[in-house]
Amino acid sequence: EDKVVQSPLSLVVHEGDTVTLNCSYEVTNFRSLLWYKQEKKAPTFLFMLTSSGIEKKSGRLSSILDKKELFSILNITATQTGDSAIYLCAVGDGSSNTGKLIFGQGTTLQVKP
Amino acid sequence: NAGVMQNPRHLVRRRGQEARLRCSPMKGHSHVYWYRQLPEEGLKFMVYLQKENIIDESGMPKERFSAEFPKEGPSILRIQQVVRGDSAAYFCASSPPYRVSSYEQYFGPGTRLTVT
Repeated sequence: EDKVVQSPLSLVVHEGDTVTLNCSYEVTNFRSLLWYKQEKKAPTFLFMLTSSGIEKKSGRLSSILDKKELFSILNITATQTGDSAIYLCAVGDGSSNTGKLIFGQGTTLQVKP
Repeated sequence: NAGVMQNPRHLVRRRGQEARLRCSPMKGHSHVYWYRQLPEEGLKFMVYLQKENIIDESGMPKERFSAEFPKEGPSILRIQQVVRGDSAAYFCASSPPYRVSSYEQYFGPGTRLTVT
């Protein structure tokens, strides 16, 4: 069965720390890997990765994909309290060519002042 | 440019009643996806629709659940004869009509359904 596993499940850091969130996957028809940030409402899109080894960056956030080892990491540098959220990893499943996403269970990040 | 709209944001139903959840995709998006998030679990795919067509409903429970996306108006997720186990957050996402980009989905704020 296809699955996406995130680790750690929860993390508490202090402002200014750097964090690394992990996402591993076993998806037969992998098409892409996506990261979302979920606060109290809608998951907001962060990155979509399709190629191995190419880092995507947006401000203090960056992400990279390793299609050989089947994982991705999301890095957040100089964390701020506003980074507190659930970070979701999802894999695009190409088995039916319908854009279906398979989600991990999420990593809950708490950044303390 | 308004994002994905969902209403209601919160819905309380008694066991046996019907729940109707609405989703309006982002402007220019013609693909709609519904996901369910049960307590302490990740989002699970339910159904994928284009205008007037159900493309993939492999994640929908076999009974009581249905979805539509009419030519005019929002997409509707309908749950008949709700049970306590249906209590969850239901998220809608939309994507543009280009196949290569269809995995880049934008989510609405969700409808939190509580069945009493």
